[in-house]
Amino acid sequence: EAQVTQNPRYLITVTGKKLTVTCSQNMNHEYMSWYRQDPGLGLRQIYYSMNVEVTDKGDVPEGYKVSRKEKRNFPLILESPSPNQTSLYFCASSLSTLGPQHFGDGTRLSIL
Amino acid sequence: SQQGEEDPQALSIQEGENATMNCSYKTSINNLQWYRQNSGRGLVHLILIRSNEREKHSGRLRVTLDTSKKSSSLLITASRAADTASYFCATDPSATQGGSEKLVFGKGTKLTVNP
Repeated sequence: EAQVTQNPRYLITVTGKKLTVTCSQNMNHEYMSWYRQDPGLGLRQIYYSMNVEVTDKGDVPEGYKVSRKEKRNFPLILESPSPNQTSLYFCASSLSTLGPQHFGDGTRLSIL
Repeated sequence: SQQGEEDPQALSIQEGENATMNCSYKTSINNLQWYRQNSGRGLVHLILIRSNEREKHSGRLRVTLDTSKKSSSLLITASRAADTASYFCATDPSATQGGSEKLVFGKGTKLTVNP
């Protein structure tokens, strides 16, 4: 089954404690991206990757890092999380940059 | 600023009625996409309409695109309780302007279908 898998689905942690949200897709998609969704602000892109070892900033990259060492994986790293990064995060993949996006089920992060 | 803006922000209807949601955008686009999001879940792609298309159907969904008015509408006919979700439009505002290619999502319309 074609899918984008994110882990963990839920995480409560404290300010400053490094965390990684994993994202994996099984569709051999070249394009992957991370979004955060906040009430009243909609979906905002954090980082995207057009292929292995090719990543670029989206609209709200501050406080986040990503890597793309393999085509299927695109982890999101919060080196020193802060409360303003409390949000619902989505990973997505697609065949092309502007094509239909396949989304994961989301990761709800709470930073205390 | 937001490229796509959905209207209304929220819509409540009875089962069996039709639901219409609108999306307006600011700049030229190559295509426009509609997505559905059930509460707390990931977005699911519904339909993509290209700038040279005026109407597209998929099951109970009908999407129209008016590039002269920079607007699109999503019509769900004979709605069901299971259609309760948020619906988002996504556009590619920079595709024709030489900028970085990416989709920009609106803030969504929250649809409630009452049994």
